[in-house]
Amino acid sequence: GAGVSQSPSNKVTEKGKDVELRCDPISGHTALYWYRQSLGQGLEFLIYFQGNSAPDKSGLPSDRFSAERTGGSVSTLTIQRTQQEDSAVYLCASSLGLAGASGNEQFFGPGTRLTVL
Amino acid sequence: AQKVTQAQTEISVVEKEDVTLDCVYETRDTTYYLFWYKQPPSGELVFLIRRNSFDEQNEISGRYSWNFQKSTSSFNFTITASQVVDSAVYFCALSTNAGKSTFGDGTTLTVKP
Repeated sequence: GAGVSQSPSNKVTEKGKDVELRCDPISGHTALYWYRQSLGQGLEFLIYFQGNSAPDKSGLPSDRFSAERTGGSVSTLTIQRTQQEDSAVYLCASSLGLAGASGNEQFFGPGTRLTVL
Repeated sequence: AQKVTQAQTEISVVEKEDVTLDCVYETRDTTYYLFWYKQPPSGELVFLIRRNSFDEQNEISGRYSWNFQKSTSSFNFTITASQVVDSAVYFCALSTNAGKSTFGDGTTLTVKP
């Protein structure tokens, strides 16, 4: 079956512009996660959605970052007024349920490489 | 707060050598899951194994084996007879009931022919 897909695969933008990154999770997966991976770094948790519960936004680095998940499926991560330090690979993952509650592994997408000039 | 430490940033071995990747975690939760993921040069992370906090039984899968020790808060990963295809970045991760998953910074393994 289809895996997690993300679009665009690459995005180059100018400082100060807004960007939207999209994630299509695996059908039936109730949990969806966003991470940021800077060059040579680990995965930095940004936000997760679980079913109809309020998302855990505790990892969002600033109020310029926001995310939504419509209809329990597709998710969009929006970065407003982009800065050069926002340059990174943004990874999306989905799982059947929350990883910590039931041990469900996360399935990762290929990521969106964001470059802010 | 939870934390995952992978002290080895980079490891380089020659093919057929055994190699162990270390993972140390911190959490106040008594119920949690530990994971290992592999990120090959192509970029996508792939799940390798999970362990819950109540199961300290070690596991072997082919050339891979995992050693979970709650007493030292460690979940180490050993590759026996390494191969060039094992070259990748390996991440250890911790997930608790709170939902958030915490990943280590990863260990880059290079296996030379």
